[in-house]
Amino acid sequence: DAGVTQSPTHLIKTRGQQVTLRCSPISGHKSVSWYQQVLGQGPQFIFQYYEKEERGRGNFPDRFSARQFPNYSSELNVNALLLGDSALYLCASSLWDRDVSEQFFGPGTRLTVL
Amino acid sequence: AQSVAQPEDQVNVAEGNPLTVKCTYSVSGNPYLFWYVQYPNRGLQFLLKYITGDNLVKGSYGFEAEFNKSQTSFHLKKPSALVSDSALYFCAVRDGGGATNKLIFGTGTLLAVQP
Repeated sequence: DAGVTQSPTHLIKTRGQQVTLRCSPISGHKSVSWYQQVLGQGPQFIFQYYEKEERGRGNFPDRFSARQFPNYSSELNVNALLLGDSALYLCASSLWDRDVSEQFFGPGTRLTVL
Repeated sequence: AQSVAQPEDQVNVAEGNPLTVKCTYSVSGNPYLFWYVQYPNRGLQFLLKYITGDNLVKGSYGFEAEFNKSQTSFHLKKPSALVSDSALYFCAVRDGGGATNKLIFGTGTLLAVQP
């Protein structure tokens, strides 16, 4: 079975631009979460979606938004990019939102903002 | 607020020797604890989790973790290290309440296994 897939793998943008990152969860997983990992730090939670509804939001500005589609894939959008948005963006999927199942992470999208 | 701490930025161990990567936690309510490993330019791979039950949890690739409630610790262990175990290890706790799947990660510990 395919794992969590993310696209693109790398992205270079300039300040002020907008970016969309995509994620496809493991087949059968209905929950998708997004994390930001800045170099040298642990991942920080951005969003969780389950059955197309937002179930959690981390401490990120409104420039960050996301959505989940009927096929459970997800997009993360970041507007008005800042240099500090440069990071590895990780998507994770899991079976169900209220159990304690482990999350499976994709390889990430490396975003560089110049 | 839930949190985990990884007191060591780096752990060095010789191949064949036992390894321990430390993690302490602070939670309100039941602790749901995880270990993940990250290889260079890769996403995180799940190793093991503690939900309830036995304090010794066995996971992937020969790793295990010991849950200690009195010391609020969840240390990762392996009896015999391999060079291929060299990677970045993260301890994580699921945020409380169960309404979200949010994980709170530690700062990571770089494990270096020398041949």
